[in-house]
Amino acid sequence: DGGITQSPKYLFRKEGQNVTLSCEQNLNHDAMYWYRQDPGQGLRLIYYSQIVNDFQKGDIAEGYSVSREKKESFPLTVTSAQKNPTAFYLCASSIYSYSNQPQHFGDGTRLSIL
Amino acid sequence: KNEVEQSPQNLTAQEGEFITINCSYSVGISALHWLQQHPGGGIVSLFMLSSGKKKHGRLIATINIQEKHSSLHITASHPRDSAVYICAVPDSGYALNFGKGTSLLVTP
Repeated sequence: DGGITQSPKYLFRKEGQNVTLSCEQNLNHDAMYWYRQDPGQGLRLIYYSQIVNDFQKGDIAEGYSVSREKKESFPLTVTSAQKNPTAFYLCASSIYSYSNQPQHFGDGTRLSIL
Repeated sequence: KNEVEQSPQNLTAQEGEFITINCSYSVGISALHWLQQHPGGGIVSLFMLSSGKKKHGRLIATINIQEKHSSLHITASHPRDSAVYICAVPDSGYALNFGKGTSLLVTP
């Protein structure tokens, strides 16, 4: 079955440490997205990628970095510059990067600070 | 930015009740999305609609483009419908702007 796989499900970060969240899709979608969800707030866009080797900042990109070396993979690194990283992170993909395309979501990664 | 307002924020219903969740937005759009977030956190896309009405099983979504308003209805609600329902609208050509969600609890 096609879908999006996020790993790990739970992740803990020590102060000053970078951590990387994995997102893999086998839907052959061109576009991929990373969102952050905080309690009581809507999903906020961190980064998105329209095609391989291209990505754009979203509303809250500071303290995060991404890469898109393969169509299937869009890993997110939470750097030590992100001072409040505790949140639920969701990866999504769509056939094309237009907002009138349905997005398919992974099951998310919950990141906490030790 | 296309502002999205959902109501109610929280909703408790008894099994079998008819449920309505509302979504209003501020800027004209090409399509509106309804999503369901399960208690574990995973999100499923329910509907994407640009006009009129769509139906899938016991779920019905309607949109009024002139009023900038959409509703999600659940008929004959069941405890397994308990989830957070999220409305999203285009914020630019590529991004979506998400509402804060409506948390629904259906009790037996």
